[in-house]
Amino acid sequence: KAGVTQTPRYLIKTRGQQVTLSCSPISGHRSVSWYQQTPGQGLQFLFEYFSETQRNKGNFPGRFSGRQFSNSRSEMNVSTLELGDSALYLCASSLGAGGIGYGYTFGSGTRLTVV
Amino acid sequence: DQQVKQNSPSLSVQEGRISILNCDYTNSMFDYFLWYKKYPAEGPTFLISISSIKDKNEDGRFTVFLNKSAKHLSLHIVPSQPGDSAVYFCAASGNNAGNMLTFGGGTRLMVKP
Repeated sequence: KAGVTQTPRYLIKTRGQQVTLSCSPISGHRSVSWYQQTPGQGLQFLFEYFSETQRNKGNFPGRFSGRQFSNSRSEMNVSTLELGDSALYLCASSLGAGGIGYGYTFGSGTRLTVV
Repeated sequence: DQQVKQNSPSLSVQEGRISILNCDYTNSMFDYFLWYKKYPAEGPTFLISISSIKDKNEDGRFTVFLNKSAKHLSLHIVPSQPGDSAVYFCAASGNNAGNMLTFGGGTRLMVKP
């Protein structure tokens, strides 16, 4: 059974550009959550999608957005990149909307560097 | 406002001894707690969890204890092995939070041979 796949693994962007990251959940999983990990702020929740609808959103500016497709794959977009957006972006998938415990599994992340 | 805190950024333990990692939380709505192990540039790997209706959960060498009145949980690893060296995160989820986790800042565990 394939795990959670995040692409690309590494990315370098320039300030002011925009970036799109992709997450393919485990087959059959319908919920995808995104997290940002930075040395200063630790692991912080960005948003969660279930059945193509955003269910929860963390405390991030509107430059951070996401979407989920009918096959449960999800993308997150960051516009007008800032140096502080440099981070490891992680996604996690789970079976349903019933909360943590339903096989909540993380991908290996996308390392974004903004220069 | 950090709702989940791991006050020890690092811990060093001798192989074969017990490792105790601690975590405190402030939000009374949290009802499910998890511990994850993480290596650099990889996603967190689930270790063990505990529901707020329990005070202890055991899985092999890993045991998690929950003290709800103190809003404190701990992870015990016995015996510790060099392969346990990693960063450990505790995380919490609330009843109405869906699939959202609030993480502590992590503790780096080093197990010396």
